[in-house]
Amino acid sequence: GAVVSQHPSRVICKSGTSVKIECRSLDFQATTMFWYRQFPKQSLMLMATSNEGSKATYEQGVEKDKFLINHASLTLSTLTVTSAHPEDSSFYICSAYKQGAGGAVDTQYFGPGTRLTVL
Amino acid sequence: DAKTTQPPSMDCAEGRAANLPCNHSTISGNEYVYWYRQIHSQGPQYIIHGLKNNETNEMASLIITEDRKSSTLILPHATLRDTAVYYCIVKKTSYDKVIFGPGTSLSVIP
Repeated sequence: GAVVSQHPSRVICKSGTSVKIECRSLDFQATTMFWYRQFPKQSLMLMATSNEGSKATYEQGVEKDKFLINHASLTLSTLTVTSAHPEDSSFYICSAYKQGAGGAVDTQYFGPGTRLTVL
Repeated sequence: DAKTTQPPSMDCAEGRAANLPCNHSTISGNEYVYWYRQIHSQGPQYIIHGLKNNETNEMASLIITEDRKSSTLILPHATLRDTAVYYCIVKKTSYDKVIFGPGTSLSVIP
């Protein structure tokens, strides 16, 4: 099946620094990608929709100036957590939509996640 | 998108069928039922989806009631690796954003 990768898988940073997380669709082009955040023992929370070549659409309550999203190509979206603080520590997951071809099912594929720890 | 209701947790004996229910009584005619699962500390995995007919693939079967107000995901022979949180989601198309509820935590017991 389709593969979505994330890099890095884990990152530890100091408070006040910025962290960039990459999401790549490895064997398909994705005009739309999504970013989620998950705190321990909670469900995934949608943060934003990333559209190739245009501005991201953020969910209510998500600060767009803190979580910068760039979708510069059809296979790469990046999420930058600016001036990270301990409360930003979380599991960040992206997903990419793949359009089915030749009778294959349209579906969304999720990346393996990035564990961010802010000290 | 319509809201779904799932039991918070379920147990299933290894080798037996796991039947995970989902209620979606407010589903509209053009909304699909999707199932995903998330194994601990991993990204969610697509399982199956359907509109009104029952569906089967290599992972599971999806049974949708005639009135489409509920559905059941069936894992025919559960293994320990099926222990995960299972999410039932209703949405119009596959490229619509996926909004996750709390899901059902399935524990497969040896």
